[in-house]
Amino acid sequence: GQNIDQPTEMTATEGAIVQINCTYQTSGFNGLFWYQQHAGEAPTFLSYNVLDGLEEKGRFSSFLSRSKGYSYLLLKELQMKDSASYLCAVLDSNYQLIWGAGTKLIIKP
Amino acid sequence: GAVVSQHPSWVICKSGTSVKIECRSLDFQATTMFWYRQFPKQSLMLMATSNEGSKATYEQGVEKDKFLINHASLTLSTLTVTSAHPEDSSFYICSAREETIEQYFGPGTRLTVT
Repeated sequence: GQNIDQPTEMTATEGAIVQINCTYQTSGFNGLFWYQQHAGEAPTFLSYNVLDGLEEKGRFSSFLSRSKGYSYLLLKELQMKDSASYLCAVLDSNYQLIWGAGTKLIIKP
Repeated sequence: GAVVSQHPSWVICKSGTSVKIECRSLDFQATTMFWYRQFPKQSLMLMATSNEGSKATYEQGVEKDKFLINHASLTLSTLTVTSAHPEDSSFYICSAREETIEQYFGPGTRLTVT
């Protein structure tokens, strides 16, 4: 079966750095997405990785290792507004998104 | 660019009635649209995938006669929840994709069935 694992909840301090991990086992791989979702709102796109390595975009970076079935989202200089759920999703061989359950990130002052 | 709208943003209806939710791609042609449902504190659950002009493909466990999906044009898809019951209360989100792989999400519709 297809499976995506990410921690249920993480807590971090404002101004710090946090890394949210995601491991996956899917039928085929056409890329991995990270989305941010605030409570009561739809997901918003953060990043897309299809090749191994680190993609940096401002305070957010995303890393992928296809051989390990592993990705992480790195958030730097955390702000209170970063409190949200972060969803990892893999595009499988049928170009269908397989979603993780999401990681709720709590930022404390 | 790549904006997807949904209407209504929230709706309250009585048990047994039907509710229609519209999803529109405003500035691109969506060859494929997706409908998701999300219960509180849970992740997105794909309900169905629809391609313009063809029947929707429903995920296992989703009743196609209860959740009617119509993708009549490249910019519009509708989801009709027929004979709604309180357990259908949820956050319904659509997304749209053109020729690229990225899905663009609508803002979601919160349905409450009383």
